[in-house]
Amino acid sequence: AQSVTQLDSHVSVSEGTPVLLRCNYSSSYSPSLFWYVQHPNKGLQLLLKYTSAATLVKGINGFEAEFKKSETSFHLTKPSAHMSDAAEYFCVVSRASGGSYIPTFGRGTSLIVHP
Amino acid sequence: AAGVIQSPRHLIKEKRETATLKCYPIPRHDTVYWYQQGPGQDPQFLISFYEKMQSDKGSIPDRFSAQQFSDYHSELNMSSLELGDSALYFCASSYRPGTRSTDTQYFGPGTRLTVL
Repeated sequence: AQSVTQLDSHVSVSEGTPVLLRCNYSSSYSPSLFWYVQHPNKGLQLLLKYTSAATLVKGINGFEAEFKKSETSFHLTKPSAHMSDAAEYFCVVSRASGGSYIPTFGRGTSLIVHP
Repeated sequence: AAGVIQSPRHLIKEKRETATLKCYPIPRHDTVYWYQQGPGQDPQFLISFYEKMQSDKGSIPDRFSAQQFSDYHSELNMSSLELGDSALYFCASSYRPGTRSTDTQYFGPGTRLTVL
């Protein structure tokens, strides 16, 4: 079994300040973890992925996430928020099932960026 | 780089009508997934296909069916539409099992279905 908990439904920051979006997971196996971003009325875009090669994962647009096994966390960070970062962010844990991998999505965190 | 293509992008139907959504995966991807995302909700997994065979089944209603064709594109068929079927329907694709990259799914832009 696996589950994902995004600890904040909304995060509000000012432009130029750091961003922290929190995600905790549970998984019976070594997980694959992802962060996706969804802008309004758009599809889901892959930000970054953890595959056990390195605990600190760098993604697109300056985002990165750190896998902490002891804390079962995979928090997403960015040093300086930009207005264009305003979007919905989903943390995802994936498990192998038959011929495919089935993801479990968190409920999403809405990032609001103020000028 | 080529992305996942979905058509149509928008669809308006009446209750009890049928709808067909199409998905064209990224070239060389042969695994396709379908998701439903209601307003303000996270995406819910419906069904997946690998090599034209159903691989996994999620919360797909019995009124819905899907298939994958020899060129790996997939179609989601929805019958007896209900108001509650109004949602954004995403397709995603990935590489075939056996490669580590299989667990990375690339999403299409979605089809917004409105049932009146």
